[in-house]
Amino acid sequence: QQPVQSPQAVILREGEDAVINCSSSKALYSVHWYRQKHGEAPVFLMILLKGGEQKGHDKISASFNEKKQQSSLYLTASQLSYSGTYFCGTEIRGSQGNLIFGKGTKLSVKP
Amino acid sequence: EAQVTQNPRYLITVTGKKLTVTCSQNMNHEYMSWYRQDPGLGLRQIYYSMNVEVTDKGDVPEGYKVSRKEKRNFPLILESPSPNQTSLYFCASGMAVSYEQYFGPGTRLTVT
Repeated sequence: QQPVQSPQAVILREGEDAVINCSSSKALYSVHWYRQKHGEAPVFLMILLKGGEQKGHDKISASFNEKKQQSSLYLTASQLSYSGTYFCGTEIRGSQGNLIFGKGTKLSVKP
Repeated sequence: EAQVTQNPRYLITVTGKKLTVTCSQNMNHEYMSWYRQDPGLGLRQIYYSMNVEVTDKGDVPEGYKVSRKEKRNFPLILESPSPNQTSLYFCASGMAVSYEQYFGPGTRLTVT
């Protein structure tokens, strides 16, 4: 049931763009995105509740394809502060309350 | 300041010695949950609570107990810890599961 994230790791130069994908085999009610920096707790980025919904957070946005049970996180013009591990969390329809996270995508932004 | 607190932050214990990790939030959140984080495995949910006196198993509940007698507190109990429970534990809270989750600072547990 754990969603699959891809890629597992990505290295960028400042200013480059990146896409992180999250895919589930189950029908989803919502998708959460969090970022965790080394030695810190995960921090909320955004949550998507409706099919096809796209939300933005500064230069970070995400989409949710309800039919495909997939979500993508888009990081535009990456900054050094974007470095960290990104996790998607999924709520499966019929199992509200159970938030299942993927294994994470490690993003490194170099100067 | 809105926050989730966990205690202790670090704990080294021996196999079989009962322990409790406390979690408290001051945001009047209905939903609380516990996760363990292990290298390469991501965050795995142990237990969650939709409201006071309502708790449910997450994906890895074996060896753990929880209680939710008050809205603000959600302690995690390991009645007989084993080395495979060595991990980094996070408590989180939110208005509901489909809202932003606020994570505590984490508790690093080592069981020898």
